[in-house]
Amino acid sequence: DAGVTQSPTHLIKTRGQQVTLRCSPKSGHDTVSWYQQALGQGPQFIFQYYEEEERQRGNFPDRFSGHQFPNYSSELNVNALLLGDSALYLCASSLASGSANSPLHFGNGTRLTVT
Amino acid sequence: QQPVQSPQAVILREGEDAVINCSSSKALYSVHWYRQKHGEAPIFLMILLKGGEQKGHDKISASFNEKKQQSSLYLTASQLSYSGTYFCGTERGNTGKLIFGQGTTLQVKP
Repeated sequence: DAGVTQSPTHLIKTRGQQVTLRCSPKSGHDTVSWYQQALGQGPQFIFQYYEEEERQRGNFPDRFSGHQFPNYSSELNVNALLLGDSALYLCASSLASGSANSPLHFGNGTRLTVT
Repeated sequence: QQPVQSPQAVILREGEDAVINCSSSKALYSVHWYRQKHGEAPIFLMILLKGGEQKGHDKISASFNEKKQQSSLYLTASQLSYSGTYFCGTERGNTGKLIFGQGTTLQVKP
């Protein structure tokens, strides 16, 4: 049973560039959430996708956008990269029925470095 | 509002016990506990729903005091494998949107 997979594992970008991160959810899951984890901090909620729509959003600027495909996989796009965007980006999948029935399963993350 | 975890770090010898606390200023629907080892994904430990229930998972258990909006994670007879950073994630409704604390780093020494 494949868990959550993310690609790439590492990425180095220059300030001002754009980046796309990818996530395939755990088999059977239909909801994907994205989190940003700065070094030494807890994960911060970016947004959640279900049925190809953004269902919830955290306190992140519009430079952060996403997409969910019919096969439930998802992409996170970040435009106009800033140095402060350097972090580990975690994808988590779950079922839309809610956390009581389906806790989050996390991928290993994409380490983004902005220079 | 980010939940507050305490302590920030703890060092134990194998076999010792530890308690990690998580407090929120908002009314909560649930509290989730995760453990993350360096360079790895956070791993789900348990979820506690409002109602004050206590759950157990091997020698790791947790409680949720709904009135105080506080949860505690209890690690008994700690093992080397318990080392890592523990995060509580709070949820204000059954939405799947978790707000995580800053983490508690646990180091278990032989």
